[in-house]
Amino acid sequence: SAVISQKPSRDICQRGTSLTIQCQVDSQVTMMFWYRQQPGQSLTLIATANQGSEATYESGFVIDKFPISRPNLTFSTLTVSNMSPEDSSIYLCSASGQGDGYTFGSGTRLTVV
Amino acid sequence: GQQLNQSPQSMFIQEGEDVSMNCTSSSIFNTWLWYKQDPGEGPVLLIALYKAGELTSNGRLTAQFGITRKDSFLNISASIPSDVGIYFCAGRSGGSNYKLTFGKGTLLTVNP
Repeated sequence: SAVISQKPSRDICQRGTSLTIQCQVDSQVTMMFWYRQQPGQSLTLIATANQGSEATYESGFVIDKFPISRPNLTFSTLTVSNMSPEDSSIYLCSASGQGDGYTFGSGTRLTVV
Repeated sequence: GQQLNQSPQSMFIQEGEDVSMNCTSSSIFNTWLWYKQDPGEGPVLLIALYKAGELTSNGRLTAQFGITRKDSFLNISASIPSDVGIYFCAGRSGGSNYKLTFGKGTLLTVNP
């Protein structure tokens, strides 16, 4: 299975600012995804990061708030824009080869003050 | 949207006991996955199931893909303190849909 490096591991940010989270996979993967996990909750899919094209967002998530890039088959970024305290959460990157062996990064724990 | 009902929400057991948790869905899945998440970490894949009726083991863990394709269970035998964590089931409906749907998780506490 692919190994995912995600950074930063944690950050404390001021409201109104933006944070970009990076996800690096050690091998080429077909699918990359971004999730949000609020404290004590399950994982909620934000979007599917598509290589070379716009990400596919889930209901309740929009590109202006969560712009995503995926320039190649091993790298993706998620930006949390114009942050508010409600954005405080864990953000997780996931990758899959062909719909199997989904692996996750260690997550980015974001606190907005 | 698709939903997974995972139970129990939490379990408190003594070391050495066996544990069972399950997930059910109103719709069919072609893949079932079981993950464990430790505090401050991302979920780690424990077992992947790709075929209805499939029974797969990974050490003390055993998981089965229900015949109806709408359910799956995970068993842990002879639990140890390091089994503590949150266990999630996840399902994929298949075809061109590569998205996973997650259950709400089972918090396992093992008393030494």
